[in-house]
Amino acid sequence: QSALTQPASVSGSPGQSITISCTGTSSDVGGYYYVSWYQHHPGKAPKLMIYEVSNRPSGVSDRFSGSKSGNTASLTISGLQAEDEADYYCGSYTSSSPFLFGTGTKVTVL
Amino acid sequence: QMQLVESGGGVVQPGRSLRLSCAASGFTFSSFALHWVRQAPGKGLEWVAFISYGGTNKYYADSVKGRFTISRDNSKNTLYLQMNSLRAEDTAVYYCARQEEGYYYMDVWGKGTTVTVSS
Repeated sequence: QSALTQPASVSGSPGQSITISCTGTSSDVGGYYYVSWYQHHPGKAPKLMIYEVSNRPSGVSDRFSGSKSGNTASLTISGLQAEDEADYYCGSYTSSSPFLFGTGTKVTVL
Repeated sequence: QMQLVESGGGVVQPGRSLRLSCAASGFTFSSFALHWVRQAPGKGLEWVAFISYGGTNKYYADSVKGRFTISRDNSKNTLYLQMNSLRAEDTAVYYCARQEEGYYYMDVWGKGTTVTVSS
């Protein structure tokens, strides 16, 4: 099964908002409310940022928000900060496997 | 403090085998499903394998099916990944991650162990 599609890179200035898209099919993103988002700094463990499309785990800043429309999910980072610079991955439950990751997006804070 | 710690990585020749371990602490291990996820150099995260909390249900990515086996020992709070017939493209950092039963996201991750397949 092919990875979910994300833009390779997104950038923004401090304080701005950016949005990362995650496009799948009706067999994954579009078929379930089981989309999650992960932040990954190189050399560290990935960190859960959003689960079930729009829920934030305890301890995650409310600058991070998620949504979904059809086969595309989105992660928005508001009030961009230097520490947000990282790779971000979406993930989804699918009809044929327990999990599928997106291609990943490198976020750069200008 | 909930923690997952991977071990067992190293350098191995193509065609050989390696077994990774993931030791859990700080939570009730037997109540959680578990995943193995890997990241090859310069690539993104790739889901590798899943095992249910009791060990009954197992699923694999097509890229490792028939070569890798996921298992767990709930008495030892440890997850395993037996990797056979290793290929150069299996070179990656391997992470274990937990998933609460009935939910579909990974909320606790280990820091990973590196596997290099090279002659």
